[in-house]
Amino acid sequence: GQSLEQPSEVTAVEGAIVQINCTYQTSGFYGLSWYQQHDGGAPTFLSYNALDGLEETGRFSSFLSRSDSYGYLLLQELQMKDSASYFCAVNGDTDKLIFGTGTRLQVFP
Amino acid sequence: EADIYQTPRYLVIGTGKKITLECSQTMGHDKMYWYQQDPGMELHLIHYSYGVNSTEKGDLSSESTVSRIRTEHFPLTLESARPSHTSQYLCASRDRLRGVNEQFFGPGTRLTVL
Repeated sequence: GQSLEQPSEVTAVEGAIVQINCTYQTSGFYGLSWYQQHDGGAPTFLSYNALDGLEETGRFSSFLSRSDSYGYLLLQELQMKDSASYFCAVNGDTDKLIFGTGTRLQVFP
Repeated sequence: EADIYQTPRYLVIGTGKKITLECSQTMGHDKMYWYQQDPGMELHLIHYSYGVNSTEKGDLSSESTVSRIRTEHFPLTLESARPSHTSQYLCASRDRLRGVNEQFFGPGTRLTVL
């Protein structure tokens, strides 16, 4: 089967750094994406890694290791507004995304 | 700014009713998707479309159907709603020139079937 595993919940304080891991097992792999979803809101695209290494976008960075079937999302200088659920997603073929189980991040003052 | 709309936002309906969830986008995207998401859970793909007159079933078995008569419009229909259909339904689209990874999502329809 195909699966993407993430921790169910992560907590941190404002200003801290947090890492959300994602391990995947899929029949195909073209890339790993990350989405943010606030309670009651729509998922919004954050980042994408097709190749090994680190991609940085402002306070957020995403890392991929294809050989380990592993990636992570790194959030720096945490703010209260970063409290949300974060989903990793794999496109195992060119037209579909498979989403992970989601990680709920709670940021405390 | 993504322009993708879903109506209704909330719907409470009785068992056995036929319902259609609307999704429209003004970005001219060819690819469109429907996902089902239970609270706090992952998104499951139930239908997708490559373009006009193209529809495909997703990975999650669903009793719903979709149509794509116009590029901007991708409605989802449940012929006979059941309590097991209670969930949030999210519509998404993407530009065919960009990867499948960057999808734009609508605000969702939260469906409750009594």
